[in-house]
Amino acid sequence: DGGITQSPKYLFRKEGQNVTLSCEQNLNHDAMYWYRQDPGQGLRLIYYSQIVNDFQKGDIAEGYSVSREKKESFPLTVTSAQKNPTAFYLCASSNPPHRSGYTFGSGTRLTVV
Amino acid sequence: QQQVKQSPQSLIVQKGGIPIINCAYENTAFDYFPWYQQFPGKGPALLIAIRPDVSEKKEGRFTISFNKSAKQFSLHIMDSQPGDSATYFCAASSNFGNEKLTFGTGTRLTIIP
Repeated sequence: DGGITQSPKYLFRKEGQNVTLSCEQNLNHDAMYWYRQDPGQGLRLIYYSQIVNDFQKGDIAEGYSVSREKKESFPLTVTSAQKNPTAFYLCASSNPPHRSGYTFGSGTRLTVV
Repeated sequence: QQQVKQSPQSLIVQKGGIPIINCAYENTAFDYFPWYQQFPGKGPALLIAIRPDVSEKKEGRFTISFNKSAKQFSLHIMDSQPGDSATYFCAASSNFGNEKLTFGTGTRLTIIP
């Protein structure tokens, strides 16, 4: 079955550590996205990539970094510069016309301990 | 101007009732309005979408009503069931630029038996 796989499902990070969240898709989608979800704040865009080796900042990119070396993979690194990283992180992908449907993964819940 | 305002933040409805979730936007370039449904611990999934050339769209028990002059759209769920309990997000996008979706803040819907 085609879809998006996010791993791990739960992740714990000590303060000052960098952690990387994995996102892999086998839908042959061109575009991939990372969103952060906090209660009462909806889905906020962190980074997005519409083509391999290219990506753009979203609304809340500070403290995060990404890479897009392969079409199917779009890992997100939460750096120590992100002051409040505890949240639910969602990865999505789409093909043109992009707005007609995003496919989301099942998310990674990151907790700072 | 890119915001999509969604209300209410939470909603409790008795089984068989008709929950209504409202969204408003400012950007007149928006021309595609999807709704996503998210169950706990899962990623959102596309539920139904509308374009501004129609005032209403039905898919099963789900209906979108669209008021272009008021720049508002809403989701109605007919004969609601406990299985409809989820978080619902409205979204909007423009055909100009990169077509990224702008999401509302979400509504947590609970259907009580």
